Amino acid sequence: AQTVTQSQPEMSVQEAETVTLSCTYDTSENNYYLFWYKQPPSRQMILVIRQEAYKQQNATENRFSVNFQKAAKSFSLKISDSQLGDTAMYFCAFMKIQGAQKLVFGQGTRLTINP
Amino acid sequence: ETGVTQTPRHLVMGMTNKKSLKCEQHLGHNAMYWYKQSAKKPLELMFVYSLEERVENNSVPSRFSPECPNSSHLFLHLHTLQPEDSALYLCASSQDVRYSNQPQHFGDGTRLSIL
Repeated sequence: AQTVTQSQPEMSVQEAETVTLSCTYDTSENNYYLFWYKQPPSRQMILVIRQEAYKQQNATENRFSVNFQKAAKSFSLKISDSQLGDTAMYFCAFMKIQGAQKLVFGQGTRLTINP
Repeated sequence: ETGVTQTPRHLVMGMTNKKSLKCEQHLGHNAMYWYKQSAKKPLELMFVYSLEERVENNSVPSRFSPECPNSSHLFLHLHTLQPEDSALYLCASSQDVRYSNQPQHFGDGTRLSIL
C-alpha cells in the first residue's frame, strides 16, 4: 500500500517570502503521479501542480515548483513570492498509473502567509 | 465555480436520522468519487463510480450507502451514523477512472455534524 507523509503540520511566512513544503511517500510502483492540492478556507480542493514520476524534469506552474527526488521518494513544493491568497491547507497526494484513480493523501500542512 | 456542486453545505443530524448528501458535476465527466476528511487525518477515499457503476468501495461501513443514478449525479445516503462520522465529505469527478493523467475536480464539501 502507498503512504504519503507531510511532516510539517503548520508553517508561517511573511508575504513575498519563499516557502517550501515537504512531502515523502512510500511505494513499490515505478510509474505514478504526484500532486499538490490547495484547500483554502472555502474548502474547495484545488490542484496546484502535478508531476509524472517518469519525467525527470521538475514541474513548474508560475510561482509554484516542485523538487522531485524519485530515489529518495521526496516531493517538496516551493512557493515563490508568496501572497496572502496562498494561505491554505496544502495536501500532497499520490496516484498509481494503473487501476482506478485512487488518490492517497498526506495529512496536510497549514500554511499561513502574514502581511 | 468548480463545476462540482455539493449540497447541503452544512448538515447537523442525530444518530437515528436518515439524510442524503448530493453531488452534481457539470463537466461531462464519467467518474465520481466520495472522500471523507476528518480532523487531523488524511483524506480517505470512500467510493468510486465509473459510468454509474461502483468500481471501488474502501471498506466503508454500511451506514453509508452511495447511489449514482447517472454520470452527473452522486448521492451519499446516511443512516444510523455515529459521532465519529462527523467530518467534511468531499465529492470529486474526473474524465475517466482509467486516465490517471486527468485531474480530479472537487466540490466545496458538506460539513456533517452528528449529535
